[in-house]
Amino acid sequence: GQQLNQSPQSMFIQEGEDVSMNCTSSSIFNTWLWYKQDPGEGPVLLIALYKAGELTSNGRLTAQFGITRKDSFLNISASIPSDVGIYFCAGVTGGGNKLTFGTGTQLKVEL
Amino acid sequence: NAGVMQNPRHLVRRRGQEARLRCSPMKGHSHVYWYRQLPEEGLKFMVYLQKENIIDESGMPKERFSAEFPKEGPSILRIQQVVRGDSAAYFCASSRQGGDQPQHFGDGTRLSIL
Repeated sequence: GQQLNQSPQSMFIQEGEDVSMNCTSSSIFNTWLWYKQDPGEGPVLLIALYKAGELTSNGRLTAQFGITRKDSFLNISASIPSDVGIYFCAGVTGGGNKLTFGTGTQLKVEL
Repeated sequence: NAGVMQNPRHLVRRRGQEARLRCSPMKGHSHVYWYRQLPEEGLKFMVYLQKENIIDESGMPKERFSAEFPKEGPSILRIQQVVRGDSAAYFCASSRQGGDQPQHFGDGTRLSIL
């Protein structure tokens, strides 16, 4: 089946630093989504990307849909303590409805 | 969490019992999706329903699991004769339309099997 690999698996950064994480796939996706999940809660949608090459921002978050449609990255600028959590990418294939989730990147912020 | 309501939040069952998980989608959403998450893993798709219809159940185990989304009331994920391996967090998501419309998730039901 389709697999999405996220890297890094986890990262420990200083407050105020910029963060970058990416998601790669062996298959093409027509839509990429980025979610954040806090402990004990469900994933919260951060950014949705619909076109190859698209660059979209949401506050301090910026995400891009790779030209090959097989990858996406998420940047967080000037990290703050509440950015702690697990970030998941998810892809949707053409005409499909189910999300294929990545393996997750756990972000920890040092004060 | 984005208006999708799941209950109960935590459910404990003994092996062999039945588990019923409920999901009320966001207002105006008629498409519901169920996912399962094991510890330290991402979510795995189980089933996609639209009012009174199962559209895609390719992720559902062949036995003991069923889902419904009746005309009135919440969507129900039912697990019969639960086993230890069913222990997981079960998340429901909803969207206004199908296709690539963003799915918004509830806070999940954590199922523990004794």
